[in-house]
Amino acid sequence: GDSVTQMEGPVTLSEEAFLTINCTYTATGYPSLFWYVQYPGEGLQLLLKATKADDKGSNKGFEATYRKETTSFHLEKGSVQVSDSAVYFCALSSYSSASKIIFGSGTRLSIRP
Amino acid sequence: GAGVSQSPRYKVTKRGQDVALRCDPISGHVSLYWYRQALGQGPEFLTYFNYEAQQDKSGLPNDRFSAERPEGSISTLTIQRTEQRDSAMYRCASNLDGNEQFFGPGTRLTVL
Repeated sequence: GDSVTQMEGPVTLSEEAFLTINCTYTATGYPSLFWYVQYPGEGLQLLLKATKADDKGSNKGFEATYRKETTSFHLEKGSVQVSDSAVYFCALSSYSSASKIIFGSGTRLSIRP
Repeated sequence: GAGVSQSPRYKVTKRGQDVALRCDPISGHVSLYWYRQALGQGPEFLTYFNYEAQQDKSGLPNDRFSAERPEGSISTLTIQRTEQRDSAMYRCASNLDGNEQFFGPGTRLTVL
């Protein structure tokens, strides 16, 4: 079945550091790929998405590129801020999964001032 | 506009009791999804509806879990004879079409 594997946390970085959170997926067909974020005390929010190969999703300085050849969707940000501290979930949705979202286990990110 | 709302936000119950969790989706959204999230894990699919029809309930863990959406809007997830292993965050999401789902704040269920 479809699945998502993401980098285990927690990840702790200093402010202005470069961030990469790795994510790979297994799916039949052509899934849509997502990164969701959960800030402390808040619900899940869509951070960015990509719906086909080579698409780049971007939002709030974060980027991720849909790589079909490596079945990956790594999340990157050039310069993180304390306010980026949150839990990040990689996820996919596909026709074969009846549009339900399949999530990775999440990566907790903490940014030191 | 208003987002997805869920109630209660927190529910503490004793083992063996029944609980009902409510989800009010974004107005006009056709599809409604229920997920369960254990501590330190990502959300896992439970069931979903298009309008009032339950399309897929393959994620419901056992027959103590049921869900309904009788008028194609508000949905209720019911857990009968709760057990401690049912403790989790229960999340609801809705979408209009396409594949972007909007999530509610969740209901944190604790079974003592």
